[in-house]
Amino acid sequence: DIQMTQSPSSVSASVGDRVTITCRASQGVSSWLAWYQQKPGKAPNLLIYAASRLQSGVPSRFSGSGSGTAFTLTITSLQPEDFATYYCQQANSFPFTFGPGTRVDV
Amino acid sequence: EVQLLESGGGLVQRGGSLRLSCTASGFTFSSFAMSWVRQAPGKGLEWVSTINPTDRTTYYADSVKGRFTISRDKSKDTLFLQMNSLRADDTAVYYCTKEISSCATISCNNYYYYAMDVWGQGTTVTVSS
Repeated sequence: DIQMTQSPSSVSASVGDRVTITCRASQGVSSWLAWYQQKPGKAPNLLIYAASRLQSGVPSRFSGSGSGTAFTLTITSLQPEDFATYYCQQANSFPFTFGPGTRVDV
Repeated sequence: EVQLLESGGGLVQRGGSLRLSCTASGFTFSSFAMSWVRQAPGKGLEWVSTINPTDRTTYYADSVKGRFTISRDKSKDTLFLQMNSLRADDTAVYYCTKEISSCATISCNNYYYYAMDVWGQGTTVTVSS
């Protein structure tokens, strides 16, 4: 199985900050990598797929990059509604696996 | 509006069974792969199972293989997860999801999967020991 790790596990930030979250895969997943945002008590929401494709309706301050085993999610100019937990997920092969999550808070 | 609505969760004793349902609307349900993802209390996301668009292939996490069965009724736009031999560590919120996928071959014998672009609100399963 492909193991996913994320760093940091949590980050404290302020409105307007630039936030970068890293996701690493234990083996290459090409560009089969997605990012999700989850707020407390809510279902996750897809932000990025295929490593860098912005999902329809997602603000352009979110961007993704990387391929192979190392990926990043960047939020430029953090907004109040962006405080949440972010997960990466590999879709290269079954079983699909998620990273442990990165909590972004104040 | 594209929507997924889960039902069927509840409290069940260890070793018992439950059948989760997920009713889809707003898209052509029969054309898409579908998955179940769960989240234990205070924990991260765990993929559980996927059924491909043709229903010919299903995939399971090792933790549920042999106990859970994914299926769907395309005439009712409904996805199911039959859960047997439930254990305490199956306690979680279960989400129904729609997959972004595309054919990997001309014959569509295999698919590429990209991400889960639509999620239901989740249904809670609690297994008591």
